[in-house]
Amino acid sequence: IVLTQSPGTLSLSPGERATLSCRASQSVSSSYYLAWYQQKPGQAPRLLIYAASSRATGIPDRFSGSGSGTDFTLTISRLEPEDSAVYYCQQYDRSPPTFGGGTKVEIK
Amino acid sequence: QVHLVQSGAEVKKPGASVKVSCKASGYTFINYYIHWVRQAPGQGLEWMGWIDPSRGVTDYAQTFQGRVTMTRDTSTSTAYMELSRLTSDDTAVYYCVRDESAGWEDWGQGTLVTVSS
Repeated sequence: IVLTQSPGTLSLSPGERATLSCRASQSVSSSYYLAWYQQKPGQAPRLLIYAASSRATGIPDRFSGSGSGTDFTLTISRLEPEDSAVYYCQQYDRSPPTFGGGTKVEIK
Repeated sequence: QVHLVQSGAEVKKPGASVKVSCKASGYTFINYYIHWVRQAPGQGLEWMGWIDPSRGVTDYAQTFQGRVTMTRDTSTSTAYMELSRLTSDDTAVYYCVRDESAGWEDWGQGTLVTVSS
């Protein structure tokens, strides 16, 4: 399953809302196996969202996920400076597990 | 608390092999698959394969078939990933990750492998 993320880069101000898209080439039959990760330079990816909409442990509630089938969204409701990072979606419903190409979020 | 601690950075010549280790602690090693994921400089995440530590069964991405070998040592709770016939395209950070159905929460710190003549 190929995951296409858009936009490639998002440049927003603190307090604004960020909407990141992840589109799958075929249906992710179980949304349980759709996740979102945040990666900052020099760090390993950090799990934000699993099962399309469940926040991982310790993730602030300004991060939310939604979607099903082939269209998924990660929303950051009120951007903070520390949210500057690259965000990846991932499906592990079908083998091989695949990642999207990433969306870079820049804070103005 | 789950920890995955990887071996240090490596510099290899083209054609050589590299073996990266991933030592697990804080959980029962044989109960969770370990995945390996790599990231070339400035690029995205690429899944390489997994190993079931309880049985030693593996599944590799087609891209790496014939070049990658994943093994484990249950006595030391350590997983290994060996990649052979290295080229400059294999320069990347290699991560081990613990498999969980509820997202891949636990990642190693990454191991930079540089392939250069």
